[in-house]
Amino acid sequence: KNEVEQSPQNLTAQEGEFITINCSYSVGISALHWLQQHPGGGIVSLFMLSSGKKKHGRLIATINIQEKHSSLHITASHPRDSAVYICAVTGNQFYFGTGTSLTVIP
Amino acid sequence: DAGVIQSPRHEVTEMGQEVTLRCKPISGHDYLFWYRQTMMRGLELLIYFNNNVPIDDSGMPEDRFSAKMPNASFSTLKIQPSEPRDSAVYFCASSLMRHANTEAFFGQGTRLTVV
Repeated sequence: KNEVEQSPQNLTAQEGEFITINCSYSVGISALHWLQQHPGGGIVSLFMLSSGKKKHGRLIATINIQEKHSSLHITASHPRDSAVYICAVTGNQFYFGTGTSLTVIP
Repeated sequence: DAGVIQSPRHEVTEMGQEVTLRCKPISGHDYLFWYRQTMMRGLELLIYFNNNVPIDDSGMPEDRFSAKMPNASFSTLKIQPSEPRDSAVYFCASSLMRHANTEAFFGQGTRLTVV
């Protein structure tokens, strides 16, 4: 069993749709990261959070420490949001989810 | 700051050859991480340094892999001898602190192909 599970693995949405990507983890953590990897391969850190909620533009990340669950929301999705979104947690070690591949269709 | 700089961006080498990947972290960052990404295994942490000292190398797959950080502005990941299964994208990242309230900044990665 993976320490970090993401769902869905693949997601296709129409432009403008509200998108949710989920991440569940089974280990104790000090922080959770959401990363974005574009088709070109570069990785960008979107959020790092240890409690509550963070918002940046159309992106919102939430975490529930008791339930060991985090969600990444994208409002008014756009084709440029198409990427792989990776959930990672830091505790005694780093653990990565396998990623969610998002495609937003115009 | 130009961000985390990795070189080369692409490397193609023959099996058995030595490969050296390079990373320049963001100035002032005291943590440096090396990751490997493959289709089969996703992202994996290989090793990380704090203040140039290796802290955890448990992710290094085998003795063919070695990493050094001779100073705060430079790190290398070496594979000797290289094998086809080492083909992957290798990322370097740096941050100010490993734990809460800090983010890691990634380089563009080095795509390694071993033929």
